[in-house]
Amino acid sequence: DAGVIQSPRHEVTEMGQEVTLRCKPISGHNSLFWYRQTMMRGLELLIYFNNNVPIDDSGMPEDRFSAKMPNASFSTLKIQPSEPRDSAVYFCASSRGQGGSYGYTFGSGTRLTVV
Amino acid sequence: AQSVTQLGSHVSVSEGALVLLRCNYSSSVPPYLFWYVQYPNQGLQLLLKYTTGATLVKGINGFEAEFKKSETSFHLTKPSAHMSDAAEYFCAVTLNEKLTFGTGTRLTIIP
Repeated sequence: DAGVIQSPRHEVTEMGQEVTLRCKPISGHNSLFWYRQTMMRGLELLIYFNNNVPIDDSGMPEDRFSAKMPNASFSTLKIQPSEPRDSAVYFCASSRGQGGSYGYTFGSGTRLTVV
Repeated sequence: AQSVTQLGSHVSVSEGALVLLRCNYSSSVPPYLFWYVQYPNQGLQLLLKYTTGATLVKGINGFEAEFKKSETSFHLTKPSAHMSDAAEYFCAVTLNEKLTFGTGTRLTIIP
């Protein structure tokens, strides 16, 4: 089991550019979560999917952020246009069921720097 | 509503000493509780979890935690700290299928 795979590990981009973060969940896990981690705000849940359907996107900060899950093995988080305040580490996590008792398995994260 | 509070954003212990990281939760129903560890530049890794049954839960790397309903606590302990335990630790509670994380406790080990 390769775990949750995120790419890229690091991304440096200029303000105003589009950024796409990618995630491959663990095979057989049917829930997927996107988190953002910053020193100021800690871990924030942005959005989660169950069976490829977005269930709760109330944590998405604004319309510049969008997430998709076209199939059970792939998800993207897109920021367009990016701003310096979006600089953070973005984690993807997956879980069996809807995660209640199983917990989540996290990827290694994407460190995004917007200059 | 449910939430989790970690007391102490930074904890320092000497190598070989007891590690105690505190977590209190609020939940209107019996919770599922978790401890995660995050090493520098890595994702969160599950240390242990409580769902039902035995209230003393053993996890990886010699850590354990005890669910105390009367105290609404789920403190993490390890009898003897090792240098490799230096990391950030997160307590989390789940309700309605979503994990809510505490703000984390950074554990420093003094040689």
